[in-house]
Amino acid sequence: QSVLTQPPSASGTPGQRVTISCSGSNSNIGSNTVNWYQQLPGAAPKLLIYATSQRPSGVPDRFSGSKSGTSGSLAISGLQSEDEADYYCEVWDDSLNNWLFGGGTKLTVL
Amino acid sequence: EVQLVESGGGLVQPGGSLRLSCAASGFPFGAYDMNWVRQAPGKGLEWLSYISASGTAIYHADFVKGRFSISRDNTRTLLFLQMNSLRVEDTAVYYCVRRKLGGMDVWGQGTTVTVSS
Repeated sequence: QSVLTQPPSASGTPGQRVTISCSGSNSNIGSNTVNWYQQLPGAAPKLLIYATSQRPSGVPDRFSGSKSGTSGSLAISGLQSEDEADYYCEVWDDSLNNWLFGGGTKLTVL
Repeated sequence: EVQLVESGGGLVQPGGSLRLSCAASGFPFGAYDMNWVRQAPGKGLEWLSYISASGTAIYHADFVKGRFSISRDNTRTLLFLQMNSLRVEDTAVYYCVRRKLGGMDVWGQGTTVTVSS
């Protein structure tokens, strides 16, 4: 069981806005920034958001990140069929001296 | 082109060893922190190991501490993962990943490790 908790699944219809949460603790999300990754079927993961809310070049502004307290969130607006993928949060944990991944959320576009 | 290419995966018996390599190109390898991440079949991502740009700071996930060891050769732009005492549950795709500004921004294609008798 992951130290970072994500919902196993999420869904939405094209054009909709969906959010994926990542719940942690004071030693990880409460103290450090959050990264988000997208993994399309059969592909290597791709960095989507770093430092909680920053987008690498090439990532559409439909993707945004935030955090409040010990929880982080990834929001996807204007949902598209190609957004159907697995999404993972990642954060450094000060107590474990480890990077941690959430368990992942499978996003389905209905 | 920025690229990471892993090699060294394969089939190994439980208790055996493997050394994974990752060849970096297209960027100043010695300026970047590096990581290994794995993904078991049908499962999520697991961070394994981190090494700073100079190699002076190293961290391993608790579940591989004492069995896996990360290292790098900046002159040959190579990253390594020495894996000993392998278990069936170590079966996974292993990714070499660059870390920049906190996030892991460049991923290799992965190399498959299968631990089975």
